[in-house]
Amino acid sequence: EAGVVQSPRYKIIEKKQPVAFWCNPISGHNTLYWYLQNLGQGPELLIRYENEEAVDDSQLPKDRFSAERLKGVDSTLKIQPAELGDSAVYLCASSPGGGRAHEQYFGPGTRLTVT
Amino acid sequence: AQTVTQSQPEMSVQEAETVTLSCTYDTSESDYYLFWYKQPPSRQMILVIRQEAYKQQNATENRFSVNFQKAAKSFSLKISDSQLGDAAMYFCAYRNTGNQFYFGTGTSLTVIP
Repeated sequence: EAGVVQSPRYKIIEKKQPVAFWCNPISGHNTLYWYLQNLGQGPELLIRYENEEAVDDSQLPKDRFSAERLKGVDSTLKIQPAELGDSAVYLCASSPGGGRAHEQYFGPGTRLTVT
Repeated sequence: AQTVTQSQPEMSVQEAETVTLSCTYDTSESDYYLFWYKQPPSRQMILVIRQEAYKQQNATENRFSVNFQKAAKSFSLKISDSQLGDAAMYFCAYRNTGNQFYFGTGTSLTVIP
């Protein structure tokens, strides 16, 4: 079974530029999470999808961040425009849902550096 | 609001020895899950062990075991016979009935040969 796939693994951009991250969850997983992980910190939820519906986006800075999960499979997280403080690792995770909703599988993350 | 606290930013252990990582959490719920995740330098987060709050028996996975004290809201991880490959960041996490996960700030474990 393939794991959660994220791309790119690394991204360096200048401030005020746009950037997008892509995530493909494990096949059949209904729930998809995007997390922000700052250096030396634990992951913090940005948005959670149940199929194609964003059910928890209270921590997503909507003035510059957006996300979509078309067809309830892969997802894209976008930042426009990027700021220096957005430098972090962006983690994607997925869960099977139902009775296995407590299982969460992480991707390798995208390390973003904003200069 | 649920919070997870890991009070040990760094820990070290001699190879083959035992180490315990601490975690406390705050919740008003009675049904939830607790987890320990490992994040090696490659940054892929993997599950080490999980505990369901309604189960009184402490979870065990090979060399990894937990000490779950529900009343004290404490959830520590014990690693026995530590190996070099155990060196990583360890995150304690809590999942509520709303399927929301909360993570601690992590403990960096160094294994000394």
